[in-house]
Amino acid sequence: DAGVTQSPTHLIKTRGQQVTLRCSPKSGHDTVSWYQQALGQGPQFIFQYYEEEERQRGNFPDRFSGHQFPNYSSELNVNALLLGDSALYLCASSFSRLGSGEQYFGPGTRLTVT
Amino acid sequence: AQKVTQAQTEISVVEKEDVTLDCVYETRDTTYYLFWYKQPPSGELVFLIRRNSFDEQNEISGRYSWNFQKSTSSFNFTITASQVVDSAVYFCALSGPGANSKLTFGKGITLSVRP
Repeated sequence: DAGVTQSPTHLIKTRGQQVTLRCSPKSGHDTVSWYQQALGQGPQFIFQYYEEEERQRGNFPDRFSGHQFPNYSSELNVNALLLGDSALYLCASSFSRLGSGEQYFGPGTRLTVT
Repeated sequence: AQKVTQAQTEISVVEKEDVTLDCVYETRDTTYYLFWYKQPPSGELVFLIRRNSFDEQNEISGRYSWNFQKSTSSFNFTITASQVVDSAVYFCALSGPGANSKLTFGKGITLSVRP
């Protein structure tokens, strides 16, 4: 049973560029949440996708956008990259019918903006 | 608004010592869930435990135990007879009642276990 997978593992971009990160949820899960973890901090919720729509959003600017595909996989897009966007981006999946809120995390994508 | 406070930032112990990681939370929800995650250097968050707000029974799993006290809004985590492999960053997190409620994390505690 494959867990949550993310790609790429590492990424280096320049300020002002755009980046797309990808996530495949755990088998049987239909909801994907994205988190940003800056160095030395806890993960911060960016947004969540369910039924191909953004359902919840944290305190992140519109430069952060996403998408969910019919197979439940998801993309996180960040436009006009800033140095402060350098972080570990974590994807978590869950099953909407399970009321426990348990989320399974992927290994993350480490983004460095220079 | 939800908030999780992990006042300890770094803890260093010698192998076989017991160590307790503190977590204090704030929420207005009457139903909520509390979690502990472990993050080794590889970066992946590893789920350790989930507790719902109606279950204050303490839990023990091997060398790990958790103490949930609603009266003090605390959910502390104790590792007994620590081992070098326990070295990691530990996060306490809180979610609301919904099935897809977002997780609110504390800043994490870096635990170093020395041989």
